[in-house]
Amino acid sequence: QQQVKQSPQSLIVQKGGISIINCAYENTAFDYFPWYQQFPGKGPALLIAIRPDVSEKKEGRFTISFNKSAKQFSLHIMDSQPGDSATYFCAASMEYNNDMRFGAGTRLTVKP
Amino acid sequence: EAGVVQSPRYKIIEKKQPVAFWCNPISGHNTLYWYLQNLGQGPELLIRYENEEAVDDSQLPKDRFSAERLKGVDSTLKIQPAELGDSAVYLCASSATQNEQFFGPGTRLTVL
Repeated sequence: QQQVKQSPQSLIVQKGGISIINCAYENTAFDYFPWYQQFPGKGPALLIAIRPDVSEKKEGRFTISFNKSAKQFSLHIMDSQPGDSATYFCAASMEYNNDMRFGAGTRLTVKP
Repeated sequence: EAGVVQSPRYKIIEKKQPVAFWCNPISGHNTLYWYLQNLGQGPELLIRYENEEAVDDSQLPKDRFSAERLKGVDSTLKIQPAELGDSAVYLCASSATQNEQFFGPGTRLTVL
């Protein structure tokens, strides 16, 4: 059962541009929303995460925007760089059981 | 701090053969997860351990898959017999606090 839907499937952005990836969830019991970055041949690595008590969280060039009423959250990558080229996964989980559900992933390519 | 260690990194076997994967979590992490990642998809939980106890194995195909975490540290995941459809990346992750999971590099299994 796909509880987290992610879009787009792939994204091509010019260097210096803004990359935006969107996710929607179904289960209102989710209370932790991380984004993971995965390079080929590597495991996913936590990039940034948010809890539903805030609407936005920023860490460097990465920002999560969270809309609780719409059950949507998004990742914005400002000033995108070729080194950001990777697959990004959104996820959602419930704190009481650590049951993490992942989106299908977005393959980001940043062109120089 | 050493990350999650997995071995082997790659495994090629004939169908119907057995295979085992090994995971050493980050020191002090009580929770250990095994995920399956198909090509172009997000990770899907197979089993979650809290110390030695498997607290969520609802997605583990128990007819051919088994796992153990003796002494609450290392873990092994076994498939016997392997089928063509088992070709995927098997990821191990661990966590100390609620939600934040650290992933290993994965084992890429190819079943011929």
